[in-house]
Amino acid sequence: GNSVTQMEGPVTLSEEAFLTINCTYTATGYPSLFWYVQYPGEGLQLLLKATKADDKGSNKGFEATYRKETTSFHLEKGSVQVSDSAVYFCALRGGSNYKLTFGKGTLLTVNP
Amino acid sequence: GAGVSQSPSNKVTEKGKDVELRCDPISGHTALYWYRQRLGQGLEFLIYFQGNSAPDKSGLPSDRFSAERTGESVSTLTIQRTQQEDSAVYLCASSLGTDNQPQHFGDGTRLSIL
Repeated sequence: GNSVTQMEGPVTLSEEAFLTINCTYTATGYPSLFWYVQYPGEGLQLLLKATKADDKGSNKGFEATYRKETTSFHLEKGSVQVSDSAVYFCALRGGSNYKLTFGKGTLLTVNP
Repeated sequence: GAGVSQSPSNKVTEKGKDVELRCDPISGHTALYWYRQRLGQGLEFLIYFQGNSAPDKSGLPSDRFSAERTGESVSTLTIQRTQQEDSAVYLCASSLGTDNQPQHFGDGTRLSIL
């Protein structure tokens, strides 16, 4: 079946540091890949997505590239801000095109 | 409203009681999903509706769990004879239902079983 593995947290960075949160997946066929973010006290929000190999999703300074050869979708940001503190979830949607399979989430804390 | 709305936001109940959780999807979204997030875990898929039909109930953990959707709108997730392991945040999402449409999530219902 489908599965998503993302790096264990928590991750603590200083403001303006470079961020990478690793995500790898197992799936049959050609899944779509997503990063969701959950800010403190808020619901899950879609951060970015990529629907085919070599696509790059980007939003709010975050980027992730769909790498089929390494089955990865790592999240990166060049310079994090305190306001980026949140839990980040990597997810995939497989050939059935409906249910999402999520990683366990990575808590990011950015200190001023 | 503009987003997915869930109620109640918090529910505390005694073991053995039945609970009902409600989800109002975004207007016009034909697909609706229920997920569960237990402490320290990722989200687990429970059930999916396309319109009022549930083609996939494979994630429901036991026959104590059931869900329905009416009018291609509101959905209710019912848990009968609750157990402590049912304690979790229950999240609802909706989407336009076509390929690659993103799922939009509500804020969830935090269920605590005493």
